[in-house]
Amino acid sequence: DARVTQTPRDKVTEMGQEVTMRCQPILGHNTVFWYRQTMMQGLELLAYFRNRAPLDDSGMPKDRFSAEMPDATLATLKIQPSEPRDSAVYFCASGSGVRETQYFGPGTRLLVL
Amino acid sequence: AQKITQTQPGMFVQEKEAVTLDCTYDTSDQSYGLFWYKQPSSGEMIFLIYQGSYDEQNATEGRYSLNFQKARKSANLVISASQLGDSAMYFCAMREGINFGNEKLTFGTGTRLTIIP
Repeated sequence: DARVTQTPRDKVTEMGQEVTMRCQPILGHNTVFWYRQTMMQGLELLAYFRNRAPLDDSGMPKDRFSAEMPDATLATLKIQPSEPRDSAVYFCASGSGVRETQYFGPGTRLLVL
Repeated sequence: AQKITQTQPGMFVQEKEAVTLDCTYDTSDQSYGLFWYKQPSSGEMIFLIYQGSYDEQNATEGRYSLNFQKARKSANLVISASQLGDSAMYFCAMREGINFGNEKLTFGTGTRLTIIP
């Protein structure tokens, strides 16, 4: 049963610290997405990659957030420095085409104090 | 304007009854896709069902069906014979610009469904 995996599942950190979240997409999927979910904003797309190339990161605050895919099996989302307003659940999802479903990972619950 | 509108913030339904969750969408694209996801209290996002804009038949997956009314731009989720395990948040989502290779999803605000024993 192929799944998207994310680590860590929970992260508590202090304001100003660097946070790194990792995602392993489903093997064979060539598109990876990062979403953020908050009570106020709901689910919003931060960035996505196809074949490891960034296609759209317009939803991401550029000054503190960065997303990369070092290889086909790993996507990372970094926040530096973190702020309390970054507290949210961060989901990674992967897919394999415009007519295919996106499958979500379990999410990383981030709390910035 | 909202791309995806879910007008029911919360619903309470008796177990074993059918339930319809509303979703309307706004797009000028001819080729798009509509999705429903379930988010239980554990927080994961579970894919339920997909409808393509050119699909002539309504999509069905087990107890889930999608009532697709293209002219009205609605894509309601129907759950037949509801169960206690159906209690969750339900999100409608849309993918536009399929012919241009777009894979992004836009989500609605969700409906919290509670099944009453």
